[in-house]
Amino acid sequence: SQQGEEDPQALSIQEGENATMNCSYKTSINNLQWYRQNSGRGLVHLILIRSNEREKHSGRLRVTLDTSKKSSSLLITASRAADTASYFCATTGLNDYKLSFGAGTTVTVRA
Amino acid sequence: GAGVSQSPRYKVAKRGQDVALRCDPISGHVSLFWYQQALGQGPEFLTYFQNEAQLDKSGLPSDRFFAERPEGSVSTLKIQRTQQEDSAVYLCASSPTGQHTGELFFGEGSRLTVL
Repeated sequence: SQQGEEDPQALSIQEGENATMNCSYKTSINNLQWYRQNSGRGLVHLILIRSNEREKHSGRLRVTLDTSKKSSSLLITASRAADTASYFCATTGLNDYKLSFGAGTTVTVRA
Repeated sequence: GAGVSQSPRYKVAKRGQDVALRCDPISGHVSLFWYQQALGQGPEFLTYFQNEAQLDKSGLPSDRFFAERPEGSVSTLKIQRTQQEDSAVYLCASSPTGQHTGELFFGEGSRLTVL
């Protein structure tokens, strides 16, 4: 079963626009991570935010975490065609070691 | 190696055949995970190794699925008497520690199609 749920399921934007996707999860977490998956490829780690953090930045990525609402958002600024991929949030529960993934958001960036 | 390597990348099996999928984690990585990813879905946890010890196999869908990591490095996921519902991408991931705090490094996956 999937721990997280991403919203929206799919997103199509113009190059240069920002892309925002959300993730909700069910149980208390140790940390939350975002991964990118290009079609037919493996997952690539983007960013990790711990449960005691509220916001984190990495390059054009901005992640927020609201543990009271059990939700996170990923913002990609100034999107590029190369950002076209599926994006997954994944959580590690308290006293757990495995990542539980959501179903993902498919982002298409149009040139 | 530089990254996690999986083989074969693509496997077509007839229903009832046995298959073996191999994972070469990053050298020295303690933790190794297997995930199953159905089309259009996120990865689902199958099993976890810390060195050679299989600490969790709760995600294996049936007793037809078996995984091993005998020397704490290379791992093999074996599926016996494959069924059509086994068709999926099987992802292997490793991490340098046994702690639950860090990122996972994923291979490219093995896409299994059962006819």
